[in-house]
Amino acid sequence: EAQVTQNPRYLITVTGKKLTVTCSQNMNHEYMSWYRQDPGLGLRQIYYSMNVEVTDKGDVPEGYKVSRKEKRNFPLILESPSPNQTSLYFCASSLSFRTDSYEQYFGPGTRLTVT
Amino acid sequence: GNSVTQMEGPVTLSEEAFLTINCTYTATGYPSLFWYVQYPGEGLQLLLKATKADDKGSNKGFEATYRKETTSFHLEKGSVQVSDSAVYFCALSDKGYSTLTFGKGTMLLVSP
Repeated sequence: EAQVTQNPRYLITVTGKKLTVTCSQNMNHEYMSWYRQDPGLGLRQIYYSMNVEVTDKGDVPEGYKVSRKEKRNFPLILESPSPNQTSLYFCASSLSFRTDSYEQYFGPGTRLTVT
Repeated sequence: GNSVTQMEGPVTLSEEAFLTINCTYTATGYPSLFWYVQYPGEGLQLLLKATKADDKGSNKGFEATYRKETTSFHLEKGSVQVSDSAVYFCALSDKGYSTLTFGKGTMLLVSP
């Protein structure tokens, strides 16, 4: 089954404790992206990747890191989480960065709480 | 920069009522337009899309027409069901690339 998976689905952590949220897709997609969803703000893009070893900042990259060492994986790293990073995070993938007509497939989301 | 504006929710309807969710956009060039739906506890799924002016996207009884003159992409359905209760996001991508700009989302609640 074609899908985007994220782990963990739920995470409660404390300020400053490094964490990684994993994202994996099995569709051989070139393009992958991370979004955060906050009430009243909709979805905002954090980082995206056009292909292996190619990443770029989205609208709200501060406090986050990403890497794309393999085509299928795109982990989101919070080196020193803070309470304002409490949010619902979605990973998404699409066949190609170079066209806007392909569907983006979304993972189920990771709900992160930073205390 | 690009932006998408959706009507605020929640929109509360009875089953079989007519649905309209308004969406307007600002973009340079000629964007592609999308509606995504998020059911409770799930990620977003593509509902429909339109890639050029006057195109009509349709799926599962939902429709939206790309109106360049009014920069709008309103979502409509003739008869909603309880199972349509979800959050609906209007989005655009510009310059031919995959990066999406989303509206804030509109929650739809349908009662029996």
